[in-house]
Formats: sequence, structure tokens, C-alpha cells
Amino acid sequence: ELKVEQNPLFLSMQEGKNYTIYCNYSTTSDRLYWYRQDPGKSLESLFVLLSNGAVKQEGRLMASLDTKARLSTLHITAAVHDLSATYFCAVVQSRDMRFGAGTRLTVKP
Amino acid sequence: GAVVSQHPSWVICKSGTSVKIECRSLDFQATTMFWYRQFPKQSLMLMATSNEGSKATYEQGVEKDKFLINHASLTLSTLTVTSAHPEDSSFYICSAREWYKRNTEAFFGQGTRLTVV
Repeated sequence: ELKVEQNPLFLSMQEGKNYTIYCNYSTTSDRLYWYRQDPGKSLESLFVLLSNGAVKQEGRLMASLDTKARLSTLHITAAVHDLSATYFCAVVQSRDMRFGAGTRLTVKP
Repeated sequence: GAVVSQHPSWVICKSGTSVKIECRSLDFQATTMFWYRQFPKQSLMLMATSNEGSKATYEQGVEKDKFLINHASLTLSTLTVTSAHPEDSSFYICSAREWYKRNTEAFFGQGTRLTVV
């Protein structure tokens, strides 16, 4: 059974600091997604990672994938308040898509 | 990019009534759609996989008679919450992918916030 573990669940950061969110999964996967969710809203797609060693960057966010370790990271660089949201990783295996528990990020001035 | 439209965005209903939520893929054919449920401050939990032209596949613990799913066309899936109760109050989100395209994103609807009073 495909299981996805994400940590930390809660993250409070100062503006300007760096931090990393981790996503581990239990079996081989076809691809991995990172999503952002604002309160009361649906999911906004951030990245899709398809292969081992894949790295994608958009602004202050950078995602990477290590399929051998079954690990993906979402790195936040020089955080700003606008990044406050809940971030989810989701792993796809065949037609099964499972979500991590989510990381609630709060960026404080 | 592809768009998935879900409505209503929110609905309030009385206990015992039924509520239908629609999920449409606007510019692609979605042979499979997914229905998720999200409680406050929790992750998305897959409820069922909706297959066009056939019965939905429900996750363990999800009552198929309570959450009726119909996927009558390649662009429309519906979730009907029957005889709703306050504990059914939640945020419901649908998702669709173009399954014949291997490397494609999953697109999500806007979500429906259901409140049963």
C-alpha cells in the first residue's frame, strides 16, 4: 500500500530564513507533486517531479526528488509572509494518488 | 492549462436531505476522476475513484450507498451525499487527469464546502 509521510506538520519561520519540508513515500512511484493550499481554497499546483534527481525551482521554492531514497524535499529560501499556507506532497503510483498530511507554514515578520 | 470546474462552491443543507456536487473537466477528457474529502486542518482523503461508464471504486470505510458517484460522460462526474448528517460536513474536492497522457498533472476543482445543519 502506498503511504506518504510528510514532516514537519507545523512550521513557524521568521521572514528571511530558509527551511526544508520533507516527503517520504513507501513504494516506487510514477511521479510526485507539490501543492499549496490557502485556507478555504482548493489546491494550487506548484511542481511535478517525474524522475530521479529532478529539481524544479519557482521563486523562493525549490523541489527535488530522490527516487532511490523515496524522498522529496521542498526548500524554502528567504521566506516571506506570502508563503504562509499549507503545503502538500502527493505521490502517484499507477492510478493511485496519495497525499501527505500537509505542512502548515506560518512566516512571521 | 487544463481546468476542472466544481460546483457549488459551498452549500448548506438540512439533515436528511441530499446534496449533489458536480465536477467537470472543461477542456480535456477525463476518463477517471477522483473525489477527496478534507476535514479542517487535515489532509485530503481519497473517497473514491470515478470511472467513466462504470461503477466507482470506493476506498475502504467509505459508504457507497451514502456517497453516490456517477460518471456519465468523459467530462462530468457527480457526487451525491444522500441523507446528509452534520458529520458529513466537510470540504469535498474533485480531481481529474488525462490518463492517456502519462506525464500530466492532476487538476483540482475549486472544492465544495458542505455544511449540514
